[in-house]
Amino acid sequence: AQTVTQSQPEMSVQEAETVTLSCTYDTSESDYYLFWYKQPPSRQMILVIRQEAYKQQNATENRFSVNFQKAAKSFSLKISDSQLGDAAMYFCAYRSAASNFGNEKLTFGTGTRLTIIP
Amino acid sequence: EAGVAQSPRYKIIEKRQSVAFWCNPISGHATLYWYQQILGQGPKLLIQFQNNGVVDDSQLPKDRFSAERLKGVDSTLKIQPAKLEDSAVYLCASSARRGHYEQYFGPGTRLTVT
Repeated sequence: AQTVTQSQPEMSVQEAETVTLSCTYDTSESDYYLFWYKQPPSRQMILVIRQEAYKQQNATENRFSVNFQKAAKSFSLKISDSQLGDAAMYFCAYRSAASNFGNEKLTFGTGTRLTIIP
Repeated sequence: EAGVAQSPRYKIIEKRQSVAFWCNPISGHATLYWYQQILGQGPKLLIQFQNNGVVDDSQLPKDRFSAERLKGVDSTLKIQPAKLEDSAVYLCASSARRGHYEQYFGPGTRLTVT
């Protein structure tokens, strides 16, 4: 079974600075997806960024980028120019790319609470 | 495009009572998921539907939890009888088709069992 570990329960960053959230995972599969989701106090999970394991290039979405190290099974999220609206719980998640029944669920880490200091 | 709708947003019940949650996925989305998120943890899948058929319910406590998706659209998740450890946020998500990577989440229902 796959596992996802987020070792930083809480992080804080000054507004406009850069912060990196860590995530490691364990899997025996070679093809999979990795995601970062944001969950604000409203509780709605919002997809921030995704990475396909077969792609060597790190994904970027505006101020959000990832550092994907497949061999190390590491998937960190970097937020540049942090804004007050970035304050939320951030979850790292894994999904198999296999199309078998039962492989489509997201496996989540325990989350990192990000605080933005004005 | 309307998002995933869930109701109620909050529910407080006593242990051994019953409760039901409702989810309306994004129009046209064939795959629907129910996740349970206990405080301090990430969401955990309870059940996945493809249209109105169950794809994965391996982590659903079937002695007390049940779910259905009539006509392949709306879904209801029921707990009967509830236990204290069922206190959690119940999230519904949908995706356009099987195998599509992106799941869209609703706002969730926060259940408190006293």
